[in-house]
Amino acid sequence: AQTVTQSQPEMSVQEAETVTLSCTYDTSESDYYLFWYKQPPSRQMILVIRQEAYKQQNATENRFSVNFQKAAKSFSLKISDSQLGDAAMYFCAYRSRYNNNDMRFGAGTRLTVKP
Amino acid sequence: DSGVTQTPKHLITATGQRVTLRCSPRSGDLSVYWYQQSLDQGLQFLIQYYNGEERAKGNILERFSAQQFPDLHSELNLSSLELGDSALYFCASSVEGVGSETQYFGPGTRLLVL
Repeated sequence: AQTVTQSQPEMSVQEAETVTLSCTYDTSESDYYLFWYKQPPSRQMILVIRQEAYKQQNATENRFSVNFQKAAKSFSLKISDSQLGDAAMYFCAYRSRYNNNDMRFGAGTRLTVKP
Repeated sequence: DSGVTQTPKHLITATGQRVTLRCSPRSGDLSVYWYQQSLDQGLQFLIQYYNGEERAKGNILERFSAQQFPDLHSELNLSSLELGDSALYFCASSVEGVGSETQYFGPGTRLLVL
């Protein structure tokens, strides 16, 4: 079964600085999808960014970008120019393209942004 | 706002009781997913429906059941509730329910079992 590991329970960043959140996953599949979701204090799950495993190019969404290393099974999220509104729990998630469509989440990283 | 709605927002009940959580997917989405987020288990996939039919099952207990109706809204039924069922229950939706799609989450229903 696929597992997703976020080794940093908590991270802190100064406003306007850059922070990187780590995620590794374990799978024997070659085609899959990876996601980062943000969960602010409102508890809403908000999609931040997604990456298709067959694409070599790293996904980017404004201040958010990923470093996808398929061979290393690593999928880190970089937040540039951090803002106070970025403070939240961040979850990395893996979804198989073929296998019963369920999505596996990591345990989450709590990001604090200091003014 | 993701376009996915869930009711109620909060629910407090007692052990042994039964509750029903409701979800309306985004307009045009045919697939609905249910997730449970608890402190000890994290976020877990429970079950998926596509156009009224069950498509995939995850870590759903036998005391829990779900269905998707012709108007595509879905209900998650939790029975014989235990203290450990206290959690945040999310519904998510996507267009076709295939692995390539992004799932959009509702705001969740917070269940407290006393």
